[in-house]
Amino acid sequence: KQEVTQIPAALSVPEGENLVLNCSFTDSAIYNLQWFRQDPGKGLTSLLLIQSSQREQTSGRLNASLDKSSGRSTLYIAASQPGDSATYLCAGAAQGGSEKLVFGKGTKLTVNP
Amino acid sequence: NAGVTQTPKFQVLKTGQSMTLQCAQDMNHEYMSWYRQDPGMGLRLIHYSVGAGITDQGEVPNGYNVSRSTTEDFPLRLLSAAPSQTSVYFCASSYNRMSNTEAFFGQGTRLTVV
Repeated sequence: KQEVTQIPAALSVPEGENLVLNCSFTDSAIYNLQWFRQDPGKGLTSLLLIQSSQREQTSGRLNASLDKSSGRSTLYIAASQPGDSATYLCAGAAQGGSEKLVFGKGTKLTVNP
Repeated sequence: NAGVTQTPKFQVLKTGQSMTLQCAQDMNHEYMSWYRQDPGMGLRLIHYSVGAGITDQGEVPNGYNVSRSTTEDFPLRLLSAAPSQTSVYFCASSYNRMSNTEAFFGQGTRLTVV
C-alpha cells in the first residue's frame, strides 16, 4: 500500500528565503506526482504535475523534482512571499491514473513579512 | 470556466438523516473521485469512477454510495449520517490515464453531523 509522508508538518520562514518542502513515498511504482496548494477553508489548487517520464517541472518560482529510486519528491520555492503562506500537499498516482491519489498530510508554510 | 463544482458548500445534518453531495465537471473528464479531509488524517479516497456507469470503492467507502449516470456528474450519497462523517468532502476529476494529466478539485463541502 502506497504511503506518502511530508516533512516538516509546519515551516515558518522570513520573506525572501528560498525553501524546500519534502515528500516521500513508499512504493517506487508511483506513476506521477502532483503538488497542490490549499488555503484555509478552500479547495486544492494544482501547482505542478511531474509525469512518469519526467524528473522535474517548473512554474515561475516553483520547481518540483521526482526521484522514484529514492522515493522522494521536493518542492522548491524561490524568494518566498507572504502570499505563499498556505498548506502544501503532495499526492501520488499509481498506474498513470489520477483517479486514485494518495496524499501526504501536508506542510503548513508561513512566510513572515 | 467552471471546472469542478460542488454543492452545497456547507451542510448540517442530524444523525440518521440522508443527503446527497453534488459534484459536476464541465471539462469532459472521464475520471471522477470523492475524498474526505479530516484533521491529522489528510485526504482519503472514498469512491471513484473511471467513466459513466463504472464506480469503485476507495480507502473509506463505508456509509457512502455513488453512481455515475453521466460523464459530467458524480453525486455522493450519505445513507444514514453519523457524527464520524463530519468532514470536508472534495470532488476531483481528471482525464484518463493514457493522458497522464493532473487532477482538478472542487472547492469542497463542509459537512457537520450532529
